[in-house]
Formats: sequence, structure tokens, C-alpha cells
Amino acid sequence: QAGLTQPPSVSRGLGQTATLTCTVNINTAGDQGPAWLQHRQGHPPKLLSYKNLNRPSGISERFSASMSGSTASLTITGLQPEDEADYYCSAWDSSLVAWVFGGGTKLTVL
Amino acid sequence: QVQLVQSGAEVKKSGSSVKVSCTVSGATLSTYVITWVRQAPGQGLEWMGRIIPHSGRADYSQKFQGRVTITADESTSAVYLELRRLTSEDTAVYFCARDSGSYPFAYWGQGSPVTVSS
Repeated sequence: QAGLTQPPSVSRGLGQTATLTCTVNINTAGDQGPAWLQHRQGHPPKLLSYKNLNRPSGISERFSASMSGSTASLTITGLQPEDEADYYCSAWDSSLVAWVFGGGTKLTVL
Repeated sequence: QVQLVQSGAEVKKSGSSVKVSCTVSGATLSTYVITWVRQAPGQGLEWMGRIIPHSGRADYSQKFQGRVTITADESTSAVYLELRRLTSEDTAVYFCARDSGSYPFAYWGQGSPVTVSS
């Protein structure tokens, strides 16, 4: 289906690695990967990665993004309690002239 | 240090309008894109639209076309989101965000809760 598709939830243990996926099915005009944002309850969203570029200043190296075909991934290593949040991918749709968000993945750190 | 400060919580009646502000400090307003995103209770993030303050050009989500207007006032470094013909489904927290040049959504406001009651 058209849009950005994310699994609703992922659970991993403390210290483990979580890989969150985002299936991109929009006209991104060949862009190199979506933006990934973390949204913790009671806080504004935070940009973690964009187009598989270097992380924005202040973002931990535990967060890394990649893309293979139409599937984008955000890998979080050494999970910490503060990583428990909703994670969204977002990409620019050149046809719609609009940013599109995935439905978000709720990450639970056990 | 770039900061985005949004206006406070609003309670509105169905059918009315709301205007939320986002004031940028620590940097020039005009150069970068300002985006509005909202999150309804229990829902995900939803892109509403964006503006390039220098040109005044705005793009809107098709979902809100005809009901939303985004404007910018460079003299006060403020950007405004106006949403008309409100319904209970517009109850949400509204966020503004600014690009950094290399990154979209680099800086965020604290969010403005809007509650629409009948």
C-alpha cells in the first residue's frame, strides 16, 4: 500500500539491539532514506537521522540508519530505558508535495 | 541557540477557528522552512503543512486544504497556523518545527494543546 509502513510495536531487552523498519512506498524522487524521529511522552519529537546522513549534533552513535531497496531501518544498540519511545519515519513525497509520516513504532525496553 | 516557543493551550468550540503561534529566537526566521505537525490523542504524527517565511510560500497537506493557513511575520519572527471549522477530531497537540539547512525537523517547539468541544 502507498505510504510509509512501520510495525506498531517492538520489544527488546535492556542492553540489546533493536532494529525498526519502515517500508517506503511513495514517490521520494530517489532520496537516500527517510528521516527518523524519536517521540517520548511529554516531549517534542527529536530528529535522529535523515537520508542516512551523519547524525544531527547531539544524537548518540547508538542510533544508525540504513536503507535497502524500499526498506529503511533504524538500529539502536545498547538499549537504555530512555530509548523507550515512539519512533517515526518520514519522507518527502514529491508527487503530493508533502511530508508523509509512518504510523510509528512503539519501542518497549524490557 | 535556536528556540521555538509556541503559544499556550486552547479550548475551542466545534465550528470555530484556532490560531497557534510559533516564535523563533536565536536565528533568522526567513531562511528556513517552518513545518506544522500534530498528534491527536492515541494517534501518530501528522504533517499539516510548511512555509518558507522569506517567500511566504506555503504547502499544505491535502487533508487540510481549504481549512488551514500558515503565515509568517518576519518582523516578529513568528509563524502562525490557523485551522478553521474545527471538529472534535482536531483535538491534538500542535507542534512547529524548523529545518537547519541540512536537516528537516531539526528544532521543535514545545507543543500547543488544542481541545475542541461541542
